[in-house]
Amino acid sequence: DIQMTQSPSSLSTSVGDRVTITCRASQSISSYLNWYQQKPGKAPKLLIYTASSLQSGVPSRFSGSGSGTDFTLTISSLQPEDFATYYCQQSYSTPYTFGQGTKLEIK
Amino acid sequence: EVQLVESGGGLVQPGGSLRLSCAASGFTFSTYTMNWVRQAPGKGLEWVSYISSSSTTIYYADSVKGRFTISRDNAKNSLYLQMNSLRDEDTAVYYCARDFGARVSWGQGTLVTVSS
Repeated sequence: DIQMTQSPSSLSTSVGDRVTITCRASQSISSYLNWYQQKPGKAPKLLIYTASSLQSGVPSRFSGSGSGTDFTLTISSLQPEDFATYYCQQSYSTPYTFGQGTKLEIK
Repeated sequence: EVQLVESGGGLVQPGGSLRLSCAASGFTFSTYTMNWVRQAPGKGLEWVSYISSSSTTIYYADSVKGRFTISRDNAKNSLYLQMNSLRDEDTAVYYCARDFGARVSWGQGTLVTVSS
């Protein structure tokens, strides 16, 4: 099974900050990497697919990069509605594993 | 508008069974792969099972293999998860999810609680 390791697990940040979350796969997954945002009591929302493609309707302050085993989600200027938990997920092979999540908290 | 609506969750005793359903609308259900994903209270996301569009390919997480069965009825635009021999650790919100990638869509989830 492919293990997905996300870091950090939590981050205290402020509105306007630039935030970077990393995700590392235990083996190469090419670009089969998705990023989700989840708010309490809600289903995950897709932000980025195939590592760097912005989902329709998602603000351009979100961006993704990477391939192979190392990936990054960047939020260029954090907005109040961005405080949530973020997950990476590989869709290269089953089991379609998720990272453990990164919770963004208000500083 | 794409909609996925899960149902069938509830309280069940350890060792019991439950069948979850996911009703799809707003898209051609028969052409999409489908998945079940779960989330235990306060925990992260865990992929549970996958079924191809024609049901010819099915995968399970090791944690549910031999106990859970995924199926679909394309004529009824519905996805199912039969859960047997339920354990405390199966307590979670269960989501159905269409595909993964640009075409992903998620339901709102249904809560399954396994407790005596």
